[in-house]
Amino acid sequence: SQQGEEDPQALSIQEGENATMNCSYKTSINNLQWYRQNSGRGLVHLILIRSNEREKHSGRLRVTLDTSKKSSSLLITASRAADTASYFCATDPLTGSARQLTFGSGTQLTVLP
Amino acid sequence: DVKVTQSSRYLVKRTGEKVFLECVQDMDHENMFWYRQDPGLGLRLIYFSYDVKMKEKGDIPEGYSVSREKKERFSLILESASTNQTSMYLCASSARRGQAAYTFGSGTRLTVV
Repeated sequence: SQQGEEDPQALSIQEGENATMNCSYKTSINNLQWYRQNSGRGLVHLILIRSNEREKHSGRLRVTLDTSKKSSSLLITASRAADTASYFCATDPLTGSARQLTFGSGTQLTVLP
Repeated sequence: DVKVTQSSRYLVKRTGEKVFLECVQDMDHENMFWYRQDPGLGLRLIYFSYDVKMKEKGDIPEGYSVSREKKERFSLILESASTNQTSMYLCASSARRGQAAYTFGSGTRLTVV
């Protein structure tokens, strides 16, 4: 079942603007991860944030995690046309025997040149 | 460069055929996964394996089976292909449960006619 749900489903911005995508989840987690998928390709890991972390940066990416609200956000600053892709959050559950991530449905980001 | 390789990018098969999708990883990862991805439904887990000869059902195992005879190879089998199995199939691997990013293959777009 899908735990992480991204919002919005689609986002269109101009090059140079910032893009913010949100993810909500339902159960307690070990960590939350963000992935990117270019059209027709596999997913590429972007960043992982652990449950005891609140914010993490990687280049133009900034991820926040609020475990009390069970939500995360991905901010891409100074966006470029090459950032056009789908972005997925994925949660690693804290409990249970599951050894797999659960992915959301994704946000389709379009950056217009 | 470490990677996950899926044997075919595009595949067209006839209804009723037995279909093999192959996935090989060169990272000595314990865990391997098969997902299918459909528009509006995100990634859905079909099967996963956390050791050689081990397999566990994901969310949508019906109509599929898997084989993991060697650590590096995880095969997805469609016993009798049907048109509703037309989809993008993604293979992934990870080093261990928890706090480990997934590495995805480029995907196989399967069309069943």
